Amino acid sequence: SAVISQKPSRDICQRGTSLTIQCQVDSQVTMMFWYRQQPGQSLTLIATANQGSEATYESGFVIDKFPISRPNLTFSTLTVSNMSPEDSSIYLCSVVLGSGGFSYEQYFGPGTRLTVT
Amino acid sequence: DAKTTQPPSMDCAEGRAANLPCNHSTISGNEYVYWYRQIHSQGPQYIIHGLKNNETNEMASLIITEDRKSSTLILPHATLRDTAVYYCIVRVVGYGGSQGNLIFGKGTKLSVKP
Repeated sequence: SAVISQKPSRDICQRGTSLTIQCQVDSQVTMMFWYRQQPGQSLTLIATANQGSEATYESGFVIDKFPISRPNLTFSTLTVSNMSPEDSSIYLCSVVLGSGGFSYEQYFGPGTRLTVT
Repeated sequence: DAKTTQPPSMDCAEGRAANLPCNHSTISGNEYVYWYRQIHSQGPQYIIHGLKNNETNEMASLIITEDRKSSTLILPHATLRDTAVYYCIVRVVGYGGSQGNLIFGKGTKLSVKP
């Protein structure tokens, strides 16, 4: 299994500011994902962040708003830029770990609860 | 990925088996069935997955119908700590996990009551 930590665990920010969320994994992983979970909703994928390549964003999410870094195989950051109250969500980091062949599992971090006022 | 249909909510008495159904009538031959759960204010937790055979681990059992159009997650002895939203997800699995992310639906909110 993978142990994933995120910092900060929660924050309250003013509109117009930016927040960078860190994700640290206890093992090297190729595939890392960032999800958003708005209040009362299910998880929505923001982007895929593979080491050594540019992040791939899902429809409705753009790099200027959610820049991502992936400097190595155990770490990634997601920045929420120019925040508005609509960005208030839980942001989750997720990784894929394979045990070989077609057997693999996806693990999630504890999330960062962001409130924008 | 194929869509799944789950009841929005279910109740279960503590100590009894919780049987959570999932319909995935458009599932393809190379798609697996995954179950995750999300306890309030935590990240989703992997439970179990399967292709066509029934699977069991320390957390749960997964029963997949012969035509693979539906499945049931069974928590054999539900406890209060099993109260969570349970997500059934079907997806293609590439070699080494190369198919990437999971797509979450709305799931089933399971409430285990004393």
